[in-house]
Amino acid sequence: AQTVTQSQPEMSVQEAETVTLSCTYDTSESDYYLFWYKQPPSRQMILVIRQEAYKQQNATENRFSVNFQKAAKSFSLKISDSQLGDAAMYFCAYINYGGSQGNLIFGKGTKLSVKP
Amino acid sequence: EPEVTQTPSHQVTQMGQEVILRCVPISNHLYFYWYRQILGQKVEFLVSFYNNEISEKSEIFDDQFSVERPDGSNFTLKIRSTKLEDSAMYFCASSEGRGGTDTQYFGPGTRLTVL
Repeated sequence: AQTVTQSQPEMSVQEAETVTLSCTYDTSESDYYLFWYKQPPSRQMILVIRQEAYKQQNATENRFSVNFQKAAKSFSLKISDSQLGDAAMYFCAYINYGGSQGNLIFGKGTKLSVKP
Repeated sequence: EPEVTQTPSHQVTQMGQEVILRCVPISNHLYFYWYRQILGQKVEFLVSFYNNEISEKSEIFDDQFSVERPDGSNFTLKIRSTKLEDSAMYFCASSEGRGGTDTQYFGPGTRLTVL
């Protein structure tokens, strides 16, 4: 069975600085997708970034980028120029491409605080 | 921008009572999901639904749970006889295509408290 591990329950970053959130996963599949979701205190989970496993190029969305290391099964999220609005729970998630009808597997989450 | 909506935001019920949690997925989406998050724990998959039938369900989704798309817009999760351990945040999600290829968009959740 696939698993997702986020080893940092909490992280803190100074406004305008850069922070990296870690995620590792375990799977025997070769074709899958990885996601980072953000859950602000208002509770709605919002997609931050998505990575297809077959793509070697790391995904980037504005200030958010990932470091995808397929062999190491690592998928970290880097937030550059951190803003107060980035404070939230961040969840790493995995899904198989084939076979699954949509079963996202989540890590436990990392709570990110941003200090002014 | 279209959003998934859920009602109510908070539901309090007595153990043994039936509850129905409601979701309105994004209008052109065809795949629907329910997840739950017990306080302090991981978000867990419950069920996926496509073409008016369950596509996949987890071990959590036992006979006490059911899902329905009663009309063209709503997607509901029913818990027939609630237990204390059903207390959790329940998230609805939808995707345009199959969840492995298309992104799932989540609603704000319903906090269910079973007393």
